[in-house]
Amino acid sequence: DQQVKQNSPSLSVQEGRISILNCDYTNSMFDYFLWYKKYPAEGPTFLISISSIKDKNEDGRFTVFLNKSAKHLSLHIVPSQPGDSAVYFCAASTNAGNNRKLIWGLGTSLAVNP
Amino acid sequence: DAGVIQSPRHEVTEMGQEVTLRCKPISGHDYLFWYRQTMMRGLELLIYFNNNVPIDDSGMPEDRFSAKMPNASFSTLKIQPSEPRDSAVYFCASSLGGPQYFGPGTRLLVL
Repeated sequence: DQQVKQNSPSLSVQEGRISILNCDYTNSMFDYFLWYKKYPAEGPTFLISISSIKDKNEDGRFTVFLNKSAKHLSLHIVPSQPGDSAVYFCAASTNAGNNRKLIWGLGTSLAVNP
Repeated sequence: DAGVIQSPRHEVTEMGQEVTLRCKPISGHDYLFWYRQTMMRGLELLIYFNNNVPIDDSGMPEDRFSAKMPNASFSTLKIQPSEPRDSAVYFCASSLGGPQYFGPGTRLLVL
């Protein structure tokens, strides 16, 4: 049972335009969400996170939006650059007690075309 | 600052052999995670430690897999005996309880 779903396996965007990556979750107990980027032959790299007490978090070109009622989050990249081409993973957790287990989506492959 | 260090980066072995993967977390981090990535299942958490103590090993596939963390700066993941279906990329990550920071991974091929 996939608790974190990234329904688009791939996305193609023109350089300079906005990239929007989506993620849905089913567990209402999740209270911490993260986005990671992964290049081939490397480990995932942390991009940005958001706690459930917020609905938006911004870091440079990257913004994450959280809609708790819809159990949906999205990552916006503006403007998109060719170097952003990678696989993007959404992850979620319930930071209760000592739990630090992340539940991962299967990823969305983003291609930014020059 | 050095990130998470994993060794070896690549391992090719024959079925039935013992495989040991190594990880050095970021200094000062008190959580350490072992993951396996395959095309079919994506990133799977195998086990994680807090202050060198295993907290959740529910992702360890079977008794052939074991993990240890003898001190705050070193962990091993051992597969004995190895099988072809264990072929995957194994990642180690560490954290202070927030975002996890990953090593480059060990690509394991069991023939």
